[in-house]
Amino acid sequence: SYELTQPPSVSVSPGQTASITCSGDKLGDKYACWYQQRPGQSPVLVIYQDTKRPSGIPERFSGSNSGNTATLTISGTQAMDEADYYCQAWDSSTVVFGGGTKLTVL
Amino acid sequence: QLLLQESGPGLVKPSETLSLTCTVSGGSISSSSYCWGWIRQPPGKGLEWIGSIFYSGSTYYNPSLKSRVTISVDTSKIQFSLKLNSVTAADTAVYYCARRPALGGSSNWYFDLWGRGTLVTVSS
Repeated sequence: SYELTQPPSVSVSPGQTASITCSGDKLGDKYACWYQQRPGQSPVLVIYQDTKRPSGIPERFSGSNSGNTATLTISGTQAMDEADYYCQAWDSSTVVFGGGTKLTVL
Repeated sequence: QLLLQESGPGLVKPSETLSLTCTVSGGSISSSSYCWGWIRQPPGKGLEWIGSIFYSGSTYYNPSLKSRVTISVDTSKIQFSLKLNSVTAADTAVYYCARRPALGGSSNWYFDLWGRGTLVTVSS
């Protein structure tokens, strides 16, 4: 079965750029999306179709996907961005989630 | 504004069937523009897709759960439902219902709207 691998944790200082990676076999040939989940809340879509931002998502969130890696980039990270982030893709008629990355804003 | 709301028992006994319903308010469930899905999250763990259904009734299931899962849609009631049988403690999780836009291509899957989730505990 297809697997998506994320680092368990990433730390960033306020105002700096955070990058969260998601690795999978030929992931660049698929569409990747990203969700933000704050404690006790439902996931929120922040990037879909590799690079697109849903309405209401700040411009500081951006995405890329090439080769075996999709990346979520948060520019000018704010304290409110501290959350768990999950990547997700579709493979062989199955939705696959990455294990999640806890972003800490120090 | 479209809202999704999960409902169902918060406690299920081992070996019994977990049954949840997602009510869609503020919009229609009968559209080829969307399909509807269930995702769960065990306490302190990550997200796991359970399955999805189109309003036509076509379904996709997680292979690891397929033998125990049934997802159905009731367009007249603007609801879709999840049944998971033979549950064990490993099925304890927050269960979310969610919407997937279906017009971006058959391989372009993402969930743009989620319910608040409901915790289901499997215990005797």
